[in-house]
Amino acid sequence: AAGVIQSPRHLIKEKRETATLKCYPIPRHDTVYWYQQGPGQDPQFLISFYEKMQSDKGSIPDRFSAQQFSDYHSELNMSSLELGDSALYFCASSRRGGSNEQFFGPGTRLTVL
Amino acid sequence: DQQVKQNSPSLSVQEGRISILNCDYTNSMFDYFLWYKKYPAEGPTFLISISSIKDKNEDGRFTVFLNKSAKHLSLHIVPSQPGDSAVYFCAASDGGNAGNMLTFGGGTRLMVKP
Repeated sequence: AAGVIQSPRHLIKEKRETATLKCYPIPRHDTVYWYQQGPGQDPQFLISFYEKMQSDKGSIPDRFSAQQFSDYHSELNMSSLELGDSALYFCASSRRGGSNEQFFGPGTRLTVL
Repeated sequence: DQQVKQNSPSLSVQEGRISILNCDYTNSMFDYFLWYKKYPAEGPTFLISISSIKDKNEDGRFTVFLNKSAKHLSLHIVPSQPGDSAVYFCAASDGGNAGNMLTFGGGTRLMVKP
């Protein structure tokens, strides 16, 4: 079965650079979520989108922005990168209705040098 | 302030025995709870969930128990298998289902010894 696809899987950037992470949800899923997992920490919710509209907002820094496109894929844009942004970034998708279980992608490991 | 806590960072169990992973929460608004399993270099994989209107949900070797008055849930794995070795995250949501943002616990690393 098709899973959530995230690209790139690994990304190395320098401080103050920008990064764009992409997420392709499971087909027919209409909701996308972004989570950040720092070293030794639990995943923290950043933001979610339903039908291309922002649905929920968590602890997402102002330097980050995200959107969901007409094909339901989502992009997380990160600017003025800081060392503390180094983390695993997970995208999850779900289909609204029923229990709405979130299915996670493999994550993008971002390293800021 | 962590709203979902898994107080045991690790657990070691013999193959064939029962594994019990525990989770506590503080937010009374949480009404849907999930367990995820995570292998290194992979995203969390959904295991089992429970709504706050139930106190038990079973799926094969996995059973989740919910004690709302104690704000406590547990995951039982019987019998434990070496392939179950992974990090297990407890997660909670409000809104009655998993569609809202999830708040995760810190995870418990389960090691099942052959």
